[in-house]
Amino acid sequence: QKEVEQDPGPLSVPEGAIVSLNCTYSNSAFQYFMWYRQYSRKGPELLMYTYSSGNKEDGRFTAQVDKSSKYISLFIRDSQPSDSATYLCAASNDYKLSFGAGTTVTVRA
Amino acid sequence: GAGVSQSPSNKVTEKGKDVELRCDPISGHTALYWYRQSLGQGLEFLIYFQGNSAPDKSGLPSDRFSAERTGGSVSTLTIQRTQQEDSAVYLCASSSDRVGNEQYFGPGTRLTVT
Repeated sequence: QKEVEQDPGPLSVPEGAIVSLNCTYSNSAFQYFMWYRQYSRKGPELLMYTYSSGNKEDGRFTAQVDKSSKYISLFIRDSQPSDSATYLCAASNDYKLSFGAGTTVTVRA
Repeated sequence: GAGVSQSPSNKVTEKGKDVELRCDPISGHTALYWYRQSLGQGLEFLIYFQGNSAPDKSGLPSDRFSAERTGGSVSTLTIQRTQQEDSAVYLCASSSDRVGNEQYFGPGTRLTVT
């Protein structure tokens, strides 16, 4: 079993909708949590980084971490067609990132 | 500023040949990582370099894989006697902190072994 589980989707939403993405993890030592966005045939791009539990907001993006339930979330408000990509969650307690499988998101114009 | 760069972007090789993949990290980043991304396995950690410390090679899948980092900057990942299961995208990342929670990835090298 992978240390970070993520539903691969795909997820399709209309433009302007809220996109909700989730991951669960099993390693209680994880304390760093990240979301990456990956466009087709490109490298992952760091979107959000969170340390320990809590919320972090950056523009239309909000990341949440609940360590008690080992749950990681990313919300994208007012989604745009340019948000269509694969979103990868990742977690670590040191330098080795453990990644989820990635969720493919399509925002329909 | 310039991000992580990797070359070549695509590599097609015959089974049994050796390949070398190159990574140029972000200037000033002391930590460098290699990951492999494949359809069945997702993104997997391969190896980690930090400054002059011994690298963490715990993610390398076999002894056919090796990597080095010269002068604390450029890194080369070498795969000897390539097999079809080595086909994947090889991604390099770098970070400025010892605990690399903010890792910045390059565009990757897509390796196809025929």
